[in-house]
Amino acid sequence: DAEITQSPRHKITETGRQVTLACHQTWNHNNMFWYRQDLGHGLRLIHYSYGVQDTNKGEVSDGYSVSRSNTEDLPLTLESAASSQTSVYFCASSGGARESGVPEDTQYFGPGTRLTVL
Amino acid sequence: GQNIDQPTEMTATEGAIVQINCTYQTSGFNGLFWYQQHAGEAPTFLSYNVLDGLEEKGRFSSFLSRSKGYSYLLLKELQMKDSASYLCAVRDGRDDKIIFGKGTRLHILP
Repeated sequence: DAEITQSPRHKITETGRQVTLACHQTWNHNNMFWYRQDLGHGLRLIHYSYGVQDTNKGEVSDGYSVSRSNTEDLPLTLESAASSQTSVYFCASSGGARESGVPEDTQYFGPGTRLTVL
Repeated sequence: GQNIDQPTEMTATEGAIVQINCTYQTSGFNGLFWYQQHAGEAPTFLSYNVLDGLEEKGRFSSFLSRSKGYSYLLLKELQMKDSASYLCAVRDGRDDKIIFGKGTRLHILP
């Protein structure tokens, strides 16, 4: 069954370390997104991609990078982790409705990664 | 500027009806989504409105007034499993980006 997965589900790291969070979808969606979710802020867009080799900055992109080498994966890298990057990270994809009457760009979310930076 | 407002928290009783409001100000408008998010889980799609009026889907309905920049999500016959956060998200008509509100946490009392 097609799905979107994230790994790891939980991660504890230290300040200054490089961390990569994986996102993999099997819906063949062109569009993929990374969000962080914090109390009081809701979902904030970090980076997004509309296809292979395409990447774009969102509203909170500083300290993060992404690369898109194939349709299925959009890994998120924290170059030098900071305590302010402690958060829950969600990956999402869009580009094909999974039910009738639903717009093509409806975003479907992965289960999330809880990242703690000490 | 872009802004989406929702109440932070609401409380309702099992079996009752609750209405969660969302007002938005965006550079343009090209559709509004509602998502449900249970604690510790991912947001899941609930409904979509692009034209004025009411969209009904079982116990859930969503209403849109584009002229007022206003939407609401109506939940009927509340069940304990409806305890969750409800996120309003607007597609900006200028660049088609989807902007999420901060969400409304709904508590259901027995």
